[in-house]
Amino acid sequence: QKEVEQDPGPLSVPEGAIVSLNCTYSNSAFQYFMWYRQYSRKGPELLMYTYSSGNKEDGRFTAQVDKSSKYISLFIRDSQPSDSATYLCAMSEGGSYIPTFGRGTSLIVHP
Amino acid sequence: GAVVSQHPSWVICKSGTSVKIECRSLDFQATTMFWYRQFPKQSLMLMATSNEGSKATYEQGVEKDKFLINHASLTLSTLTVTSAHPEDSSFYICSARDYGGSDGYTFGSGTRLTVV
Repeated sequence: QKEVEQDPGPLSVPEGAIVSLNCTYSNSAFQYFMWYRQYSRKGPELLMYTYSSGNKEDGRFTAQVDKSSKYISLFIRDSQPSDSATYLCAMSEGGSYIPTFGRGTSLIVHP
Repeated sequence: GAVVSQHPSWVICKSGTSVKIECRSLDFQATTMFWYRQFPKQSLMLMATSNEGSKATYEQGVEKDKFLINHASLTLSTLTVTSAHPEDSSFYICSARDYGGSDGYTFGSGTRLTVV
């Protein structure tokens, strides 16, 4: 079993939909959770990070962490075609530790 | 925010030749940088941790003699793929953490290597 599991998709949604992207993990020592967005042939771009269980909101993006279930989510409201990309979750035992990445979920938002 | 510059963005080389990829932290000092490899539709695979002024730490299964890493300054790490073969064709990405900032790890834009 991999430390971080993420469905690769692709996930195809219409413009304006609410998107839910998820990851599960097995290492209870993970305390630092990140979401990255990666466009084709580009490096990953940090979207959000959090240490806490619960929700963290930034514009149209909401990151949710449930440590008891070892489950994290990224919600995208009012999705746009420009949101089409691969979204990678990442987590580590702390901010100074090298993160472990999920394999990424490919999101396609069609007009 | 922290910026990591990676060069070149793509390179095509002949089998048997060597290719050097540069990774620079533009607005912060990075005593540690990370090199990843990514295959299509796959996650980032950590290859090695580059340490300024000392030897790199390689992950299990990564050939040290094939993937030479040099971290000569606080803002520059290089990855040299030596005697490249077609199976080395991949997307290579570097990363660094600005410990003076509040962001997570910042990635370079990646280098697409094609060995023909």
